[in-house]
Amino acid sequence: IAGITQAPTSQILAAGRRMTLRCTQDMRHNAMYWYRQDLGLGLRLIHYSNTAGTTGKGEVPDGYSVSRANTDDFPLTLASAVPSQTSVYFCASSANSNTEAFFGQGTRLTVV
Amino acid sequence: AQSVTQPDIHITVSEGASLELRCNYSYGATPYLFWYVQSPGQGLQLLLKYFSGDTLVQGIKGFEAEFKRSQSSFNLRKPSVHWSDAAEYFCAVATNQAGTALIFGKGTTLSVSS
Repeated sequence: IAGITQAPTSQILAAGRRMTLRCTQDMRHNAMYWYRQDLGLGLRLIHYSNTAGTTGKGEVPDGYSVSRANTDDFPLTLASAVPSQTSVYFCASSANSNTEAFFGQGTRLTVV
Repeated sequence: AQSVTQPDIHITVSEGASLELRCNYSYGATPYLFWYVQSPGQGLQLLLKYFSGDTLVQGIKGFEAEFKRSQSSFNLRKPSVHWSDAAEYFCAVATNQAGTALIFGKGTTLSVSS
């Protein structure tokens, strides 16, 4: 079934540890996104990529990095996790930057 | 850069009553507008979208939205709400400007009372 796969589904992480959230899509979409969802704040864009090989910063990029080595994969890395990065993270993709986005099921990350 | 405002954080509607969720956007040119729904513990599902043409768009689950350029709005409506519509609703805006991405509002939580 075509779609977006995020891994892991949930994770408890010690502060200061490095963590990579994985995201893979099989729809050959050009654009991919990472959002974090926090109560009362909606979905805030962390980083995005409008095509393989390019990335851009969103509203809340600090403490996060991304890479887009190929069309399908868009991993999000927390270099040194802090408790404020406790959140639900959603990866999404769209055919282009101005078309509808399709979302993964999310990764619930708790930093302790 | 574009932005989205959803003025209502939480709305409660009686089952069978009509619903309108408000969305205002900020962008100089014609935006691409979307409404998504998120049930508890789930990902986001697209309800409907506006790119161009007819300003009244129909979506899934009986929802519709109207694009009003003069008011910079894209309000979501449903004539008769069902209990299963209880969820969080997000309005989002995209542009065709290079270097931009899909931006979401903070969401409106819909509760349905019996």
